[in-house]
Amino acid sequence: AAGVIQSPRHLIKEKRETATLKCYPIPRHDTVYWYQQGPGQDPQFLISFYEKMQSDKGSIPDRFSAQQFSDYHSELNMSSLELGDSALYFCASSSRTSGAIYNEQFFGPGTRLTVL
Amino acid sequence: SQQGEEDPQALSIQEGENATMNCSYKTSINNLQWYRQNSGRGLVHLILIRSNEREKHSGRLRVTLDTSKKSSSLLITASRAADTASYFCAPLSGNMLTFGGGTRLMVKP
Repeated sequence: AAGVIQSPRHLIKEKRETATLKCYPIPRHDTVYWYQQGPGQDPQFLISFYEKMQSDKGSIPDRFSAQQFSDYHSELNMSSLELGDSALYFCASSSRTSGAIYNEQFFGPGTRLTVL
Repeated sequence: SQQGEEDPQALSIQEGENATMNCSYKTSINNLQWYRQNSGRGLVHLILIRSNEREKHSGRLRVTLDTSKKSSSLLITASRAADTASYFCAPLSGNMLTFGGGTRLMVKP
């Protein structure tokens, strides 16, 4: 079965640079979520989109922005990168339509971002 | 915070034994989801239990939910070395999952 796809899998950036992470949800899923997991920490919710509109907002820094496109893929844009942004970034997707288990979230493999 | 709190933080058992992990949370939930994560890897969805369910099985996994105590447990029966991983419970409130500290399970061959 198709899973959530994230790209790139690894990314190395310098401080103050920008980065763009991409997420392709499971087909027919209408909701995407972004999570950040720092070294040795729990995943923390950043932001989510439902039907291309921002749905919920968590602990996402103002330097980050995200959007969901017409084909339901999502991009997380990160600017003015800091050393503390080094983490695993996960995307998850789910379906909120009737007949699906509400908000059963399936995660992608993650993008490991290293900021030097 | 809606955070799921895991107990124990670490668990070491022999292959073939059962492993039980507990989770507590603070507010009302829509459902509770359990995930597994191998070191530095992705989060694998294991099982979801709805707020109106008390017990659910999937293969060697058994999950219970007690909404009156705001707690859940994950039991892995007949553990295998390949079960070695971190296990997270994630209560869903509204549309957001909140992860706790996880239980690091080590299964010795």
